[in-house]
Amino acid sequence: DTGVSQDPRHKITKRGQNVTFRCDPISEHNRLYWYRQTLGQGPEFLTYFQNEAQLEKSRLLSDRFSAERPKGSFSTLEIQRTEQGDSAMYLCASSLSGGPKEQYFGPGTRLTVT
Amino acid sequence: QKEVEQNSGPLSVPEGAIASLNCTYSDRGSQSFFWYRQYSGKSPELIMFIYSNGDKEDGRFTAQLNKASQYVSLLIRDSQPSDSATYLCAAILNAGNNRKLIWGLGTSLAVNP
Repeated sequence: DTGVSQDPRHKITKRGQNVTFRCDPISEHNRLYWYRQTLGQGPEFLTYFQNEAQLEKSRLLSDRFSAERPKGSFSTLEIQRTEQGDSAMYLCASSLSGGPKEQYFGPGTRLTVT
Repeated sequence: QKEVEQNSGPLSVPEGAIASLNCTYSDRGSQSFFWYRQYSGKSPELIMFIYSNGDKEDGRFTAQLNKASQYVSLLIRDSQPSDSATYLCAAILNAGNNRKLIWGLGTSLAVNP
């Protein structure tokens, strides 16, 4: 499968715990994006990378959230001291930097904070 | 005014009919426009993108872009029950901010057998 993959697909954690999600983009895509989506809403932009550089981070993102893409390939998103309001679907997408820049999404990681 | 707006629906059409989904945007400098389909509990799936005025057809789907009126639409011909989903419209805004998509909230479509 050459699409975007995410791991894990589901995560249940207790409030206050740290969680880390992984995203593997389409291999030739140099841009990688993280979104969060809650029921009835469109995807909410969190951050994006071009190769290994994190070029933008949403102002809505608290300091508890951090993302890395150390070698310009896979990326991780960590949430520290999780809160119930962090419960959502976390989506990863990738694209090329040229052309129309259409983004292709992975299956998502559904986080439930209890 | 939101940057990308869609009617939330639900839009209900009978099987075999044409479903018409509309999206308006506020930034005249918007460049590219995308339609995604999202089934409940799943991630968005790209259906089509369009960046030139006019129509773009792909199978049963036709995207229409009118930059003068600032709207983009998606037509689904011969609608099938499997087309029942939420359809998300997204736009890349002006050239100075081409790094992320701006999303509408989506329109729910129900195709009735």
